[in-house]
Amino acid sequence: DTAVSQTPKYLVTQMGNDKSIKCEQNLGHDTMYWYKQDSKKFLKIMFSYNNKELIINETVPNRFSPKSPDKAHLNLHINSLELGDSAVYFCASSPRGRDEQFFGPGTRLTVL
Amino acid sequence: AQSVTQLGSHVSVSEGALVLLRCNYSSSVPPYLFWYVQYPNQGLQLLLKYTSAATLVKGINGFEAEFKKSETSFHLTKPSAHMSDAAEYFCAVSLTGANSKLTFGKGITLSVRP
Repeated sequence: DTAVSQTPKYLVTQMGNDKSIKCEQNLGHDTMYWYKQDSKKFLKIMFSYNNKELIINETVPNRFSPKSPDKAHLNLHINSLELGDSAVYFCASSPRGRDEQFFGPGTRLTVL
Repeated sequence: AQSVTQLGSHVSVSEGALVLLRCNYSSSVPPYLFWYVQYPNQGLQLLLKYTSAATLVKGINGFEAEFKKSETSFHLTKPSAHMSDAAEYFCAVSLTGANSKLTFGKGITLSVRP
């Protein structure tokens, strides 16, 4: 009965590789988000989708490409990984017209 | 633009003592304010939120926060700390509320001494 799930939980990869992180929510929410938490635990919004439509795109390198096949899924693909991409990535969702966001458990990405 | 300031990075209290975690915000319009908690190796969980209704907001696990417009503050309190409260606490602000992005403070680590 997991609400917001992410796979994988841990991801270790080499510089230059391409990787994807998947997010699924079974809450029936319309809006989904990706946040990045750096090594100092600072959280920053990356993207937001509402009903598969991109509504927030912060100043994120274009190596990062979100994809929403349906409103229950928001995946994050990262090309040409760099050392600075090492972080914990959190997916979140919120119901239509509501302000609280529900977070997934996070994916810890380590780029070597 | 909106922002959140959480002074200090670490607060340590004794079990049973008052918990006070400070949050000040900057916003050009009436803000929506939130406190989230992050336990080790977990995602964020909403503790409470202020959305222009009552200025004193009660949340889960005995936490509450008071919105003070004159001080642009939204401090989090709990009368009696429990060991299980040890975690990272984040204050966040959004402008429009529904389906808008959260801007987080840098977080405060709460330690609880036996």
